Amino acid sequence: QSALTQPASVSGSPGQSITVSCTGTSSDVGGYDHVAWYQQHPGKAPKIIIYDVIDRPSGVSNRFSGSKSGNTASLTISGLQAEDEADYYCNSYKTGGTYVFGTGTRVTVL
Amino acid sequence: EVQLVESGGGLVQPGGSLRLSCAASGFTFSNYWMHWVRQAPGKGLVWVSRINSDGGNTNYADSVKGRFTISRDNAKNTLYLQMNSLRPEDTAVYYCVTLHYRPEYWGQGTLVTVSS
Repeated sequence: QSALTQPASVSGSPGQSITVSCTGTSSDVGGYDHVAWYQQHPGKAPKIIIYDVIDRPSGVSNRFSGSKSGNTASLTISGLQAEDEADYYCNSYKTGGTYVFGTGTRVTVL
Repeated sequence: EVQLVESGGGLVQPGGSLRLSCAASGFTFSNYWMHWVRQAPGKGLVWVSRINSDGGNTNYADSVKGRFTISRDNAKNTLYLQMNSLRPEDTAVYYCVTLHYRPEYWGQGTLVTVSS
């Protein structure tokens, strides 16, 4: 089971917007709306920030938004803040009842 | 307060076995499908396995199929992962997770080190 493809790193200045992509196949990202995004700070457990492609859990800033087109899902962080510096992972349900995570993206606030 | 507390990690030699446990509290454990997710030191998240609410349906990542077995005891509110034929590449922090539920809960993880 190959991991979903994410850029290794993305950076931006405070206040800017950045987008993290997550590319899979028609058997995972393209075939289902069960795509989630996670934020992980060093030494901490991951925290879900987007459910089902576009939904934000309560308590998560509306600066985080998700979308999907074909086999690629995207996470956009607007109004970038220092506290957004972390690792981000996508995750998708796959045909057959398994799940797959992305390769992970390090977001750096310049 | 919801808690997922993993235990059972440690140092094991290649080819050895370990059983991880995840004790759940603060929510109706028997209603939830449960997952194991792992993360090797300095590496990304990897989905390992899931089990349905009554324990009758399981799925595994190809990398652990045939070596790992997920199970649960709803009377004890506990999830398990029996890991056999361990390899150095199984070295990771193992998390139990209510993946994709709203809200979603993660444990703090337990470290498994496979080394001679």
